[in-house]
Amino acid sequence: GAVVSQHPSWVICKSGTSVKIECRSLDFQATTMFWYRQFPKQSLMLMATSNEGSKATYEQGVEKDKFLINHASLTLSTLTVTSAHPEDSSFYICSARGPSGHIVLAVNSPLHFGNGTRLTVT
Amino acid sequence: AQKITQTQPGMFVQEKEAVTLDCTYDTSDPSYGLFWYKQPSSGEMIFLIYQGSYDQQNATEGRYSLNFQKARKSANLVISASQLGDSAMYFCAMRAYSSASKIIFGSGTRLSIRP
Repeated sequence: GAVVSQHPSWVICKSGTSVKIECRSLDFQATTMFWYRQFPKQSLMLMATSNEGSKATYEQGVEKDKFLINHASLTLSTLTVTSAHPEDSSFYICSARGPSGHIVLAVNSPLHFGNGTRLTVT
Repeated sequence: AQKITQTQPGMFVQEKEAVTLDCTYDTSDPSYGLFWYKQPSSGEMIFLIYQGSYDQQNATEGRYSLNFQKARKSANLVISASQLGDSAMYFCAMRAYSSASKIIFGSGTRLSIRP
């Protein structure tokens, strides 16, 4: 089945540094990937939609300059948290639409998620 | 605007019993899909079941079934014969055709199975 790999699974960094999180679709091409953020005991909140070869689309309230998204290939999207601060500590999880066979905007194709990255900023 | 509502923050169920997790949704789009995901304590999101707005029959996947009541805009997840491994967070989610493939999630229900 469709597999999405996310790396690293956890990271601890100092305040002011930048952290890059990778999201790869292993056995299918993903023209669109999504980045979510989840605070403890809360739901997933969509941060941005990552489109291969074009600029990401950010949700309202998400700082573009702080959360840099690059989708340089059909199998890789990266999220860089720049100048991280303790309030950026969270669980970040990426997802990609299922493999080909579905109409591009078909409502029925589920998202396949990476295992998430737990970021702790000290 | 689209919205997903899960009114049960937590539930306790005895092992082997059936359990229903509630989900209501709101959208003005006639074409949409409803999903349920399971999130164990390890954090990964596991896709469980899907129901399309035009589907005539309720979706079923093994022990999971979706009680879809379109007029009431509800899409409850039913887990039959619950197992200890079912203990996790469960999220109801929706994608509307007009939303450019974005999926929005409910607040989740934490299910705990008692032995």
